[in-house]
Amino acid sequence: ETGVTQTPRHLVMGMTNKKSLKCEQHLGHNAMYWYKQSAKKPLELMFVYNFKEQTENNSVPSRFSPECPNSSHLFLHLHTLQPEDSALYLCASSPQGAGEKLFFGSGTQLSVL
Amino acid sequence: DQQVKQNSPSLSVQEGRISILNCDYTNSMFDYFLWYKKYPAEGPTFLISISSIKDKNEDGRFTVFLNKSAKHLSLHIVPSQPGDSAVYFCAASAGNEGAQKLVFGQGTRLTINP
Repeated sequence: ETGVTQTPRHLVMGMTNKKSLKCEQHLGHNAMYWYKQSAKKPLELMFVYNFKEQTENNSVPSRFSPECPNSSHLFLHLHTLQPEDSALYLCASSPQGAGEKLFFGSGTQLSVL
Repeated sequence: DQQVKQNSPSLSVQEGRISILNCDYTNSMFDYFLWYKKYPAEGPTFLISISSIKDKNEDGRFTVFLNKSAKHLSLHIVPSQPGDSAVYFCAASAGNEGAQKLVFGQGTRLTINP
């Protein structure tokens, strides 16, 4: 148990669906992240939030829409996804500062049909 | 352009022997390096890190070596145990960006054979 909880663990959706991924951290961290892991590719940083403010959007398509209502919760809203968006989506948190390590959730395995 | 590369997608080692996982990077501004371990159906967990002011960091069975001139780091696990079977990710960051801009390699799947 890393203190970062993601739901759902698995999600299958059609290209016209709208769904949301949820992440909650119980570590008192100030920064939260969304990462994407596709098969045989490095983890790709998608979004970074510091103190609820988005500080990084790594050229992510607008069909992915993050929301951070407070420092403990992070959402990723999905709409009109493509099959190539099928991947493991990982949430992470960290204390703010240089050299700090990330604490990851277990991820949501997303399949887009 | 991939700044952090793990060129071996998989590695198989006998239990009790040494496992050596390698990682190369291209960005000379990277000054902090981490290894993460990932089991199936779980998120990556932090294993060990090293700052560029050091060339070695040890934690129990795990040692990370950093060769700045070669832009290369390696993770040594000795002795290897079946529970070490997992995917290992190398990651790097630059300056004061820290965790904010970690760059990951694509991972190496380590299998420890009994």
